[in-house]
Amino acid sequence: GAGVSQSPSNKVTEKGKDVELRCDPISGHTALYWYRQSLGQGLEFLIYFQGNSAPDKSGLPSDRFSAERTGGSVSTLTIQRTQQEDSAVYLCASSLETGARGDSPLHFGNGTRLTVT
Amino acid sequence: GDSVTQMEGPVTLSEEAFLTINCTYTATGYPSLFWYVQYPGEGLQLLLKATKADDKGSNKGFEATYRKETTSFHLEKGSVQVSDSAVYFCALSGGSQGNLIFGKGTKLSVKP
Repeated sequence: GAGVSQSPSNKVTEKGKDVELRCDPISGHTALYWYRQSLGQGLEFLIYFQGNSAPDKSGLPSDRFSAERTGGSVSTLTIQRTQQEDSAVYLCASSLETGARGDSPLHFGNGTRLTVT
Repeated sequence: GDSVTQMEGPVTLSEEAFLTINCTYTATGYPSLFWYVQYPGEGLQLLLKATKADDKGSNKGFEATYRKETTSFHLEKGSVQVSDSAVYFCALSGGSQGNLIFGKGTKLSVKP
C-alpha cells in the first residue's frame, strides 16, 4: 500500500517568507510525528500527534513553528518568517499505535528539503 | 532528559569486514531501543528493535543486544556488503509520550 507521502520534496524560499509542508500519513495510522534532520545533527523531534489528543509540541524550536492535523489524517507544518537556520530536511512519520513502544514501527516519508536563501 | 549517543562516522569498511556501531543511551524508566537505517535516496526504515533488557534484535544479518547494565545497544554485523552502505540511527522510545529520540546517525560506506 501507499507509504507516508510528503510534499513538496524540495522547497527553496527567501528569508522572511512563510512555508507550509504537507504530510499524508499511512491510512489508519493514529500517530504522526514531525522531525527535522540537519547535517550532522541527527533527527530532532518537533511535534507528535496521537488521535484526538492534544499534540506534544515540546520539540518545536520557536513560536514561528506550528503544526496541525486535520481530521486525524493529513498534517501541515508551517514555518513563519523563515530564517536560514531553518534549512533542513523535514521528515514526517506515522505509526499504527500510541508511542513507539509496541510492535508498530514508525514509517517515514522521504522528507521535504527546505532551503532558505 | 532522555538521550542517545552513537559513534560518529563516517565508517568505511571493505566488503566482508565485521561491523560494530556503538550506541549508548540515557533514559528514565525502561525504554525500547531501535536501530533505523536510511539508504541513499530513501526514507528511514526500522532495521531492528529490542523492548526489554537482554533482548536481541536481529534483521538482515544485523544484531543488537539491549544491555541495561552498560546502557548500550551496539549494532553488529559479521560480514558487511556494499548494499549495507547507508546511515544508521540508534533510537529509544522516550519523551513525555513515548516519541522516538534519535542519535545523530552514523554513515557507513562499504567498498568492494
